[in-house]
Amino acid sequence: ETGVTQTPRHLVMGMTNKKSLKCEQHLGHNAMYWYKQSAKKPLELMFVYNFKEQTENNSVPSRFSPECPNSSHLFLHLHTLQPEDSALYLCASSHGGEGSSDTQYFGPGTRLTVL
Amino acid sequence: AQSVTQLGSHVSVSEGALVLLRCNYSSSVPPYLFWYVQYPNQGLQLLLKYTSAATLVKGINGFEAEFKKSETSFHLTKPSAHMSDAAEYFCAVSDPGGYQKVTFGTGTKLQVIP
Repeated sequence: ETGVTQTPRHLVMGMTNKKSLKCEQHLGHNAMYWYKQSAKKPLELMFVYNFKEQTENNSVPSRFSPECPNSSHLFLHLHTLQPEDSALYLCASSHGGEGSSDTQYFGPGTRLTVL
Repeated sequence: AQSVTQLGSHVSVSEGALVLLRCNYSSSVPPYLFWYVQYPNQGLQLLLKYTSAATLVKGINGFEAEFKKSETSFHLTKPSAHMSDAAEYFCAVSDPGGYQKVTFGTGTKLQVIP
């Protein structure tokens, strides 16, 4: 596998379910990101991790819980979601560290539908 | 705060015609600017980026963009559209000091008519 991978690609869940999204990067990067992409809205940054430490939480509801066990893996744990949480969830990674343009590389996304 | 405005949520061009996708930015400091492309059911792919070097930036697939500070613009162009260019394009801006906080525009869907 190369680049940034995400599993599952599609997920349908009820509001009372608990599920997790997984992201893995094979680029040797140190920063990882979760974004939410909803129809007709700009891409929304949710969380940023640098060297496994969370450095950004963009006022995300607590029903979304990120986990970054190492620099290559990022999870997004989901519980008691609402229908308005249905969206494409994108993971990205970047080199990290100051002094660079730090281009972000994106995975293919997980299409989440909350019933 | 930084922001990006993409004029036109949908643009249609004929195959072989010039592609022009508009992006204007707002930033309190000299920004980094990016164009990404998203094909259906895929993530975003970097087309090109401006990081304060040459103002005319060449990217992949024949695209280029010119940074114009006086106009606060970073429009994306391609001389001749190809059917495979049909996708959604996103302009983005980041503050070099807070480079990890990238602000994206709302996107422009490009339709290429045969």
